[in-house]
Amino acid sequence: DAGVIQSPRHEVTEMGQEVTLRCKPISGHDYLFWYRQTMMRGLELLIYFNNNVPIDDSGMPEDRFSAKMPNASFSTLKIQPSEPRDSAVYFCASSFLDSTDTQYFGPGTRLTVL
Amino acid sequence: SQQGEEDPQALSIQEGENATMNCSYKTSINNLQWYRQNSGRGLVHLILIRSNEREKHSGRLRVTLDTSKKSSSLLITASRAADTASYFCASPWGGSEKLVFGKGTKLTVNP
Repeated sequence: DAGVIQSPRHEVTEMGQEVTLRCKPISGHDYLFWYRQTMMRGLELLIYFNNNVPIDDSGMPEDRFSAKMPNASFSTLKIQPSEPRDSAVYFCASSFLDSTDTQYFGPGTRLTVL
Repeated sequence: SQQGEEDPQALSIQEGENATMNCSYKTSINNLQWYRQNSGRGLVHLILIRSNEREKHSGRLRVTLDTSKKSSSLLITASRAADTASYFCASPWGGSEKLVFGKGTKLTVNP
C-alpha cells in the first residue's frame, strides 16, 4: 500500500487567499484525521471522520477552516481566508479499527502564509 | 488539555548507548501508544501497549506501562544515528474518543 498521501507537500500563499489541502487515506481505513503541528502548540487534532462523516470538529480553530470527505478515498481541508497564524504543518492520518487505535500519518503539508 | 507529558524534552546520547524516554499522565487509559517523527516527516507508529499489559517489545524497542504510577517508558537499546527523531506518547486519555499527543522528546544520537 502507498500509505496516506497528502498534497501539496509545500504551500506558500499570501494572507487572504484560499488554501486547500488534500488527503488520500489508506484503502480500507474507515477513520480519517486532520492534525496541525506547530512548535508552540504541538500536534493538535482538528477534525476526524468515520465512514466519511465528520464525528468531532471541536478542534477546528474557527469558521475559516472547513473539512470535507466526499468519499472514502479523498478528503480536503480548506482555509478561507488564510492568515499568517495558520502557518504550520498539516497532517492527515487514517486508522482501521477505531478513533483510538494505531494511526498512519501522511508526510504532511507545510503551509506558509505570508 | 495536554495529558501525556514526555520527559526529558531533549536527550543527546552516543551511538550504541541506550535511550530512555518517559511519559506521565493523569487519567485512566485503555491504551498508550508511542510514535516517532523524523525531521520534516510524518509520525510513524512504533508500539501500542494496552492497560492490562506491563511490558512490550519490538526489535530494539521496549515499552513498559505502570498504571499505578501513571507512567510509561520507551527504551531504545543499542541506539543508532538513524534513531535521531522526536518521540511522542499518545493515548485516548480518560476514555476519550480521540488520541491526544504529548509534546515529545527530541532524541539525538551522535555517531
